[in-house]
Formats: sequence, C-alpha cells, structure tokens
Amino acid sequence: EPEVTQTPSHQVTQMGQEVILRCVPISNHLYFYWYRQILGQKVEFLVSFYNNEISEKSEIFDDQFSVERPDGSNFTLKIRSTKLEDSAMYFCASSESGVSGELFFGEGSRLTVL
Amino acid sequence: EDQVTQSPEALRLQEGESSSLNCSYTVSGLRGLFWYRQDPGKGPEFLFTLYSAGEEKEKERLKATLTKKESFLHITAPKPEDSATYLCAVESGGSYIPTFGRGTSLIVHP
Repeated sequence: EPEVTQTPSHQVTQMGQEVILRCVPISNHLYFYWYRQILGQKVEFLVSFYNNEISEKSEIFDDQFSVERPDGSNFTLKIRSTKLEDSAMYFCASSESGVSGELFFGEGSRLTVL
Repeated sequence: EDQVTQSPEALRLQEGESSSLNCSYTVSGLRGLFWYRQDPGKGPEFLFTLYSAGEEKEKERLKATLTKKESFLHITAPKPEDSATYLCAVESGGSYIPTFGRGTSLIVHP
C-alpha cells in the first residue's frame, strides 16, 4: 500500500540552527501539506503546496519557514533558525484531489530544539 | 475560539461497551467534516468524510453521523485495538484545509 515517508524520524538540534525535514509523498498525489503537533496539543496546519507553489499557509508559517519540492519525489520543510518553541512532531501529508479532506499522513519527524 | 470542539477529552471503556464521541463545530459554510484515528507517535489515519446533515458512514465497529452543529462517532462493541485518539476536522468557507480538534483519547480495556 502506498505511503508517505518522512525523514528523519527524530532530530535534535541547537537553538538557532537550520533544520530540513524531508518527505516523499504518495507518487500520484498532487497536493502536499505540512502540519505540526506540539506534545499534548492538537494537530496544526502549517502550509499546503500545489503545482510548485504555496496554496495556503497559516499564521504559524512565518518567514523562518520555507517549503520546496526540489525534484519529482521529495517535499521539504526548512526551518531557518530554530527556536525552543519549534519543538514538535512535524507531519507531512499528501492528497490526490485536494478537495475531499482525505489526507494521507506520514509517521512524522520529531524535532527537539535544545 | 476553537472552531472544532471534541468531547470527552478522554474515554475509558470496557471491551464490548458501546459509546459515542462528539465533535461540535461553529464554522459557517461547512464543506466537509472528517474523522481520523491517531495512534501514539504516528500520523493521523483517515476514517470518514461527511458532507451534509443526515449523512452516515460506517466502517467495521465505527459509525459517523452528522447534524448541522455536530458529528458523532459511534463505537459499537469496541475492542482493545480500537484504543487510539480520534480526531475530528472540518473544512469550511474558502479554505480547502482540514482544521483539527484536540481529539478524544479512547482506551478500551480487555
């Protein structure tokens, strides 16, 4: 069964360092998303991406965040200068249609900022 | 103010003890309401989409229903493997992005 894969599964970084989280969406999906979940809190939307550009973003997705689809398979989230409050589980998701709400999520990348 | 409110926050059931989880929403122009299951340390897994009041969807021991103000996830004769956090999400207005509630943590004891 096709799945969304994310790397790394866990990353520990120092405050102020740059982090890149990587995702391989399901191959025939056209819509890609990043969500995050701070421990014990709800799943929060960060950004959606379609046709090589951002389609929607939340207030959380400020100038320190960026997304990129560098090739035909990878989708990345970059955090330029990490803060303690960026510590969270980051989920990548993909969708075939972008209108049904049926998102396929990866298992997440846990980011710990010290 | 949260657009999606789920209750209860946590629910403990004995195996076979049926119950319901609630998701109330305050958005206007609901486009769709979605239920997901999330196991500890994993990403959410899609269960159902409901589009209009009166609609029902079923999958194994789960049945989701929708009214104009809320949705229920009914769990019939649950088993320990149904233990998970159940998330409700909505899409509304001009956004095609699911907005999640805080979830209900369900534990089913054998």
